[in-house]
Amino acid sequence: SYVLTQPPSVSVASGKTARITCGGNNIGSKSVHWYQQKTGQVPLLLISYDRDRPSGIPERFSGSNSENTATLTISRVEAGDEADYFCQVWDTSSALVFGTGTRLTVL
Amino acid sequence: QVQLVQSGAEMRRPGASVKVSCRTSGYIFITYNIAWLRQAPGQGLEWMGLISPYKGKTTFPQRLQGRITLTTDTSTSTVYMELRSLKSDDTAFYYCARNLAGGPLDSWGQGTLVTVSS
Repeated sequence: SYVLTQPPSVSVASGKTARITCGGNNIGSKSVHWYQQKTGQVPLLLISYDRDRPSGIPERFSGSNSENTATLTISRVEAGDEADYFCQVWDTSSALVFGTGTRLTVL
Repeated sequence: QVQLVQSGAEMRRPGASVKVSCRTSGYIFITYNIAWLRQAPGQGLEWMGLISPYKGKTTFPQRLQGRITLTTDTSTSTVYMELRSLKSDDTAFYYCARNLAGGPLDSWGQGTLVTVSS
């Protein structure tokens, strides 16, 4: 089965840029979706189809996807961005696959 | 607006079954798939299955085949998830979420806590 690997944690100072990676075999050929989950809350769609932001998502959030790594970039990080972030794809057998999740800590 | 409202928390003994509902509104029910996910305390997201309300077609991960059933009631725009032969490690928050084929999960239910304990 297809595996998506994320770093367990990323720490960044407030106002700086955070990059969260999602590694998978030839993930660049798939569409990657990203979710944010704050403590005690329901996951929220953050980025769809590699780089599209749903309505209401700030421009500070952006995505890219190439070869074996997809990346979620958060610019000008704020304290309110502290959350778990998950990447997601559909694999070739129509199974939904999530990444292992990354905890973002804002210093 | 799009809403997915799930049934309330459940507690079951090991070996029992549980059925969780997800009532949808704010869109044409048969035009979107509904996926079910779960999240054990402090853990990541796990996909449990998918149903197309239009054709009733379901897809499940191999590890859950035979233990899970997804059904729909188009008269109430509701999807049901039944999980059988419960074990303690089935304890988790269970979520339904809306999906267009191959796309993201763009709206989520509020989650239903299922606790399995003797």
